[in-house]
Amino acid sequence: EIVLTQSPGTLSLSPGERATLSCRASQSVSSNYLAWYQQRPGQAPRLLIYGASSRATGIPDRFSGSGSGTDFTLTISRLEPEDFAVYYCHQYGSSPRTFGQGTKVEIK
Amino acid sequence: QVQLVQSGAEVKQPGASVKVSCKAFGYTLISYYISWVRQAPGQGLEWVGWISTYNGNTNYAQKLQGRVTMTTDTSTNTAYMELRSLRSDDTAMYYCVRGSEYFLHWGQGTLVTVSS
Repeated sequence: EIVLTQSPGTLSLSPGERATLSCRASQSVSSNYLAWYQQRPGQAPRLLIYGASSRATGIPDRFSGSGSGTDFTLTISRLEPEDFAVYYCHQYGSSPRTFGQGTKVEIK
Repeated sequence: QVQLVQSGAEVKQPGASVKVSCKAFGYTLISYYISWVRQAPGQGLEWVGWISTYNGNTNYAQKLQGRVTMTTDTSTNTAYMELRSLRSDDTAMYYCVRGSEYFLHWGQGTLVTVSS
């Protein structure tokens, strides 16, 4: 089973700042099948990025994904008020599918 | 548009079973796998498993093997997840999602509470 470790656990930033979230896998993620989700309180997760770097339909271009192999990054170029939420990475290159434990982006 | 509509919240006693439904709108169920993901209160996301809606093949998380069964009813475009021998640590929001890879379409979630 691939273990995904996200860091930091919590990121305290101000609106307009840049957020950099990390997701490290215990072994290489096949075909870079790595996705990122945003979850706001009381809502289902929302797909942001798939295939490590492809933005899902309707996702603003301030969200970008990068990385390969075992190290992946989600970058939010300029935080908007609605971006303060929890973010999860997810690998779907092998079974069982696994998720990271999440990074909370909170208002400083 | 694509929608997954799940059944309502459930409260069950330890040892009981629960069956959650997920009805697909806007597409034909057999066109995509259905996966299930759960989230305990205040915790992260946990993959439960998936079912091929085409041939019924399943793949379950090892920790739930023997207690979980996923099925589909193509006549009603509905998928089901049954969890048996419920324990307190099964208390969670259960989501159905379309597909077996990345998850674009999510149901609204079904809260299953296990409590005596």
